[in-house]
Amino acid sequence: NAGVTQTPKFQVLKTGQSMTLQCAQDMNHEYMSWYRQDPGMGLRLIHYSVGAGITDQGEVPNGYNVSRSTTEDFPLRLLSAAPSQTSVYFCASRRNTGELFFGEGSRLTVL
Amino acid sequence: SQQGEEDPQALSIQEGENATMNCSYKTSINNLQWYRQNSGRGLVHLILIRSNEREKHSGRLRVTLDTSKKSSSLLITASRAADTASYFCATDAGDSSYKLIFGSGTRLLVRP
Repeated sequence: NAGVTQTPKFQVLKTGQSMTLQCAQDMNHEYMSWYRQDPGMGLRLIHYSVGAGITDQGEVPNGYNVSRSTTEDFPLRLLSAAPSQTSVYFCASRRNTGELFFGEGSRLTVL
Repeated sequence: SQQGEEDPQALSIQEGENATMNCSYKTSINNLQWYRQNSGRGLVHLILIRSNEREKHSGRLRVTLDTSKKSSSLLITASRAADTASYFCATDAGDSSYKLIFGSGTRLLVRP
């Protein structure tokens, strides 16, 4: 049972480039979410989804795009990367009782 | 703005001592959760306490919730070096149980 899998683990981008962070879960959870974590700070919610075809914005959605075509996958797209998006990104899925299960993170640097 | 804030920001104790971390939040909640994050890793769920509960135990962990003061505490008893990590509280946003908002965390160092 893999849980939540994120790829890539590390990525370096140049300003203006686009990329997609992949997230997959095998627990059949309806709810999935993306957070970013910056040094010394907690996690900030970017986008979340309560099921296939349904997404909504979190605290810091600007510059990011999501879609949810299947229960398993919830990719996060950076449309035009900026240095302010340098961060560690975490994907999480949620059990019906409320607990989140996190991936190991994707470390993104934008030059 | 963040819903939950932990206190202290950092805590250093000797192995075998108890560690207490506090979390305060701003609005009404349905539940409050505590997570642990080892350096460079993802967060791991520790315990969830619902708004109608006052105390919950899990192994060496004890969580209390005071909804009148909008605060919670996490107690780790008989700490071990392996407990060294950052600890975060997380609350739903009151009006939406879909948004889980995290505090900035307490960094715990347990010295052997």
